[in-house]
Amino acid sequence: QITLKESGPTLVKPTQTLTLTCTLSGFSLNTSGVGVGWIRQPPGKALEWLALIYWDDDKRYSPSLKNRLIITKDTSKNQVVLTMTNMAPVDTATYYCVHIMVRGVSSPFDYWGQGTLVTVSS
Amino acid sequence: SYVLTQPPSVSVAPGQTARFTCGGYNIGSKSVHWFQQKPGQAPVLVVYDDSDRPSGIPERFSGSNSGNTATLTISRVEAGDEADYYCQVWDSSSDHWVFGGGTKLTVL
Repeated sequence: QITLKESGPTLVKPTQTLTLTCTLSGFSLNTSGVGVGWIRQPPGKALEWLALIYWDDDKRYSPSLKNRLIITKDTSKNQVVLTMTNMAPVDTATYYCVHIMVRGVSSPFDYWGQGTLVTVSS
Repeated sequence: SYVLTQPPSVSVAPGQTARFTCGGYNIGSKSVHWFQQKPGQAPVLVVYDDSDRPSGIPERFSGSNSGNTATLTISRVEAGDEADYYCQVWDSSSDHWVFGGGTKLTVL
């Protein structure tokens, strides 16, 4: 069964760089069509898509955040890592990693991790 | 960038029908996915590709999409359906994913 689990710091200081890891289970990022993405949700607010990486290492970034984001994969560890630079209090949110299987014009995020709350504060 | 608009709240009595709208320019030409998020939990996919249901999602959940509005319908609403509901599309022009602002369902 497919599961994803986020890990990383729960508290970061303003201007610091956040590094989050998503550990995958039940599927491989070597499989054609597979993608893993990151989505965040500030407390009480809506979901916001951040980034996505495909099995072939193709990457996509939110246009509003692309200058601060880097997404990478380590297929040997079955992990995806998101790096976000220059963190600010407005980046306080629950960060989710998600699975997608490309099978047409548009595919849904069909599996979600439990999420990890990151607070940005000095 | 592409924008999805959802009303902030919907209220219905148990047993009634709840409808959630998701507005976007020519959204009928896109595939719309819907997520349910209960407090403190991760979102769950309830409808994909406008009207398909993942395994395990009750038939009470259905979707439609035409023109500038997509709609998620929950029939015979139960107290356990109380949650936030989000629509989402992939914007082909920018190759990015977009979420609506979400609608909170209150079961009276």
